[in-house]
Amino acid sequence: SQQGEEDPQALSIQEGENATMNCSYKTSINNLQWYRQNSGRGLVHLILIRSNEREKHSGRLRVTLDTSKKSSSLLITASRAADTASYFCVSSGGSYIPTFGRGTSLIVHP
Amino acid sequence: GAVVSQHPSWVICKSGTSVKIECRSLDFQATTMFWYRQFPKQSLMLMATSNEGSKATYEQGVEKDKFLINHASLTLSTLTVTSAHPEDSSFYICSARDVATTNNEQFFGPGTRLTVL
Repeated sequence: SQQGEEDPQALSIQEGENATMNCSYKTSINNLQWYRQNSGRGLVHLILIRSNEREKHSGRLRVTLDTSKKSSSLLITASRAADTASYFCVSSGGSYIPTFGRGTSLIVHP
Repeated sequence: GAVVSQHPSWVICKSGTSVKIECRSLDFQATTMFWYRQFPKQSLMLMATSNEGSKATYEQGVEKDKFLINHASLTLSTLTVTSAHPEDSSFYICSARDVATTNNEQFFGPGTRLTVL
C-alpha cells in the first residue's frame, strides 16, 4: 500500500499566520489529495493536484507537488480559528491502495 | 472533482443490531471501492477492498462475517456491521476508484460515524 506521511504531526499557530504542512509518499503517483477532518467529523476534500502539476491554488490554500522528491506541501495563508482541524494527504493512481498517514493536527489560536 | 457520498452520515444503534452503510460514486463508475475505519484521534485503517460482482478482500484481522460487504453495482457498495457492539463504534469511510480514466484516480466519501450503545 502507499502511505502518505504528514509532517509535522502537530502545529500550533496564531490566527493570521500561515500554516505549512508537508507530505511524503513512496511510489509514483497520478495525483495527490489533501483532506481536512474536524474533530469527530467527516473528511472534507480540499484540493487535488495531479502528477503533471507543480502548484495549485484554491482560495487561501496553496499546494505544491515535487514528484522528484515525492513530496507535497499544503500552505494555508492567513489562518483562521476555523482552520483548526487535522489535515491528511493521500496519493492515488496505479494499482496500489492508498492509505492515510496520521495527519497533521493544526490548532489556530484566536 | 468526482464525488463519493455515504449514507447515513451518522447512526446510533443498540448493541446486537445490524447497521448498513452505503457508499456511492455519484458521477463515475467504480469497479473497486475501499472501506476504511478510523478510531478516535487515529489515522484511517483499510478494512477491505470491495470489487463489483465478486467477493471483497479483507485485510488481516478484519472479520468478514462481522463486516459484510456487497458491491452489487458500479456505483454502490454497502458495508453491514452485523451484531454491532460498542467496540464497533467508529468512523467508517469509503473510497471509490474511477476506472474510466487511465489514472485510476480514487476519491473518498465524507464518512459515517457509528455509535453502538
